[in-house]
This record gives sequence, C-alpha cells and structure tokens, in this order.
Amino acid sequence: EPEVTQTPSHQVTQMGQEVILRCVPISNHLYFYWYRQILGQKVEFLVSFYNNEISEKSEIFDDQFSVERPDGSNFTLKIRSTKLEDSAMYFCASSDPLLGASDTQYFGPGTRLTVL
Amino acid sequence: AQKITQTQPGMFVQEKEAVTLDCTYDTSDQSYGLFWYKQPSSGEMIFLIYQGSYDEQNATEGRYSLNFQKARKSANLVISASQLGDSAMYFCAMRFGAGGTSYGKLTFGQGTILTVHP
Repeated sequence: EPEVTQTPSHQVTQMGQEVILRCVPISNHLYFYWYRQILGQKVEFLVSFYNNEISEKSEIFDDQFSVERPDGSNFTLKIRSTKLEDSAMYFCASSDPLLGASDTQYFGPGTRLTVL
Repeated sequence: AQKITQTQPGMFVQEKEAVTLDCTYDTSDQSYGLFWYKQPSSGEMIFLIYQGSYDEQNATEGRYSLNFQKARKSANLVISASQLGDSAMYFCAMRFGAGGTSYGKLTFGQGTILTVHP
C-alpha cells in the first residue's frame, strides 16, 4: 500500500541553524501539507501546497519557513533559523481529492525536530 | 468561529468492550468533512474513518463507526470490541468548508488518550 515517507526520523540542531525536512508524498497525489505537533499538544496546520505554489498557510508559517517541491517526488520544509520553540514533531501529508469526496489526508511517520 | 473540541483527556476501557470517544464542532458551514486519526505511542498518524456533512448514513470501517449527529454538531467515534492495540491517542479533525472545494487544511481537536485494560 502506498505511503508517505519522511526523512530524517529525528533531527537535532543548534538554535539559529537551518534545517530541511524531507517528505515523499504518495505518488499521484496532488495536494501536500505540513503540520506540526509540539510535544503533548494538538496537531497544528502549517501550510498546504498545490500546483507548485502555497495554497494556504497559517500564522505559524512565517518568513522563517519555506516549502518546495524540487522534483517530481520530494516535498521539503525548510526552517531558515531555528528557534527553541520550533522543537516539535513535523508531519507531512498528501491527498488527492479527485479520488473521492473525502479528500483524506495521509500522514507520514513524522520528523522529530529538537532545537538545542 | 470554527472550532473542534474533544472534552475527554483520557478514557479507559476493558478489552473486548465498546468505547465512545467524543468530538463536537462548531461551524456555520454547510459543507465540511470529519475525520478520526489514531496516534500510537510510536508517533505516526493513522487515518481511521471519514464522515461527510452531507452523508446521511453513519460511516463505518471495520470495528470503527462514527456516530454523526449533525443537529448536535457531534461526531463521536465508537470502537467496538476493544483490543490492547487500540491503546493510543485519538484525534478528531475537521476540514471546514472552503468555498465548495473538497481540499483544505485539517483542524484538530486536543485528542483523547485511550487505554485498553486486559
């Protein structure tokens, strides 16, 4: 069964450093998302991406964040200068609403980012 | 205001019994989607079940069913015949109406930790 994959599973970085989180969405899905979950808290939407551009972003997704689909398979989230409060689990998700009305988003296993 | 609420921080159930996890929402949209996800201790988010706002029948997927009461704005998850492997965090999530489009961000509730006792 196709699945969303994410690398790395765990990333440790120093405050102020740049990190790139990578995702491979389900093949032939058209919509891509990033969410984050601070430890013990609920999952929060960051950004959605379709047709090579951002469809929607939350107020969390400030100028320090960017997303890119550099090729036909990868979808990346870059944090330019990490802060302590960026420590969280980051989930990538993908969906294809053309497959049905539900437009179910399938999540990857997550990348745990720890900022020291 | 568009909001989704899970009022049960934790629930306990005996193995093989049924359990209901509560979810209520607030929206003035007519078109929306309701989802339940399971998050085991390993951290991944597993899709369980979906209910569309226009669906008249309650959704079912194996041991999972969704008790959708539109007038009360509730979408409770019912797990029948609980198993030890059902112990996890459960999130209710909603895709609020987006001008008729069927895609869009999910808004999550706070989650309910379910513990299944042998």
